[in-house]
Amino acid sequence: AQKITQTQPGMFVQEKEAVTLDCTYDTSDPSYGLFWYKQPSSGEMIFLIYQGSYDQQNATEGRYSLNFQKARKSANLVISASQLGDSAMYFCAMRVLSSNDYKLSFGAGTTVTVRA
Amino acid sequence: GAGVSQSPSNKVTEKGKDVELRCDPISGHTALYWYRQSLGQGLEFLIYFQGNSAPDKSGLPSDRFSAERTGGSVSTLTIQRTQQEDSAVYLCASSSGLIYEQYFGPGTRLTVT
Repeated sequence: AQKITQTQPGMFVQEKEAVTLDCTYDTSDPSYGLFWYKQPSSGEMIFLIYQGSYDQQNATEGRYSLNFQKARKSANLVISASQLGDSAMYFCAMRVLSSNDYKLSFGAGTTVTVRA
Repeated sequence: GAGVSQSPSNKVTEKGKDVELRCDPISGHTALYWYRQSLGQGLEFLIYFQGNSAPDKSGLPSDRFSAERTGGSVSTLTIQRTQQEDSAVYLCASSSGLIYEQYFGPGTRLTVT
């Protein structure tokens, strides 16, 4: 079974600064995908970024980047130049790619509050 | 194009009643997923469909829960004889294939009184 750990229940960040959200995972499968989702107060889950276990480069999408450290089994999300609209809950998720297990396993989430 | 839609957005029901939650995936997406998010909890996987087939129903919490998908499109999650512990936000997601990122709908907030 896969396990995702997000140890930061809540974080505050000043507008325009960068923030790093921690995520560690545990799996014995060599082929897996890591995802980050944003859930604003409206409730909808918004896909942000994806990293495959065999990807050589760290994934980037605009102001989002994923700091993937495979040996440490960590996949931290970095949000650069924070904006007020970044205030939301952020979830790290994983799914195994080499099996028929297609579900996403989610961490408990980290609440980010951006201060003006 | 249109995203994943879910209806109703909110549902209040009395304990013991049956409820149906609907999900309309992104057009052309073959895979559809149901998750549940309880207050203060993370997301719990319930079931997924590839086309109209649900190969894995092990995530359904009890036999009161069932789901179907017809025509490879709309899916319905049915909860029979609702209990208070069923109160949660039920999220539906779809993807263009089983290996791709999942796009979520706005969810249905179910409250069982």
